[in-house]
Amino acid sequence: DQQVKQNSPSLSVQEGRISILNCDYTNSMFDYFLWYKKYPAEGPTFLISISSIKDKNEDGRFTVFLNKSAKHLSLHIVPSQPGDSAVYFCAAKASFTGGGNKLTFGTGTQLKVEL
Amino acid sequence: DTAVSQTPKYLVTQMGNDKSIKCEQNLGHDTMYWYKQDSKKFLKIMFSYNNKELIINETVPNRFSPKSPDKAHLNLHINSLELGDSAVYFCASSPGTGARLYGYTFGSGTRLTVV
Repeated sequence: DQQVKQNSPSLSVQEGRISILNCDYTNSMFDYFLWYKKYPAEGPTFLISISSIKDKNEDGRFTVFLNKSAKHLSLHIVPSQPGDSAVYFCAAKASFTGGGNKLTFGTGTQLKVEL
Repeated sequence: DTAVSQTPKYLVTQMGNDKSIKCEQNLGHDTMYWYKQDSKKFLKIMFSYNNKELIINETVPNRFSPKSPDKAHLNLHINSLELGDSAVYFCASSPGTGARLYGYTFGSGTRLTVV
């Protein structure tokens, strides 16, 4: 039962252009969403998050959009840089289900930013 | 000065052996986790401890036993290793649990290969 889905395993973008990574979820109890970035042989690192009471959160070149009715979120990176090449994981949390601080992750999207 | 450190980074062992993976965090966090990333790249929670108390125990074979001697350490012991246990195991920590967002800080992972 995959509650968080990233249907694009890979994405290739030219340097300077916008990267858009997508994530869909099925559990309507999720109320926090996060994006993590992972380089090879390293652990995932936190990038940006959004609460379900918002529809947009911005941090520098990174913006996360949340569409609750569609159960969809996206991460926009603009402008994309070669150093952004990594695997991006979407994650979600349901705060009030008594499940501790459990994050449910998607399977990741490999972003490649080309020169 | 690594925030969440796991040892060993790589572990190759034969079927039927017993092995342990150690994790330590120096962030002062109250909560620690073990996640497993399988060959399909799913990052799935296994266990979580909050102040040495087990709070999340997903459906994991009882050959896997976590141990938290103090809140800065969470070790994972695996008995009678099987081929299907081959994966990357990530340790993580967070400041707490509860009905707000606590992002994780991950270790760099332990790649376990069972032959």
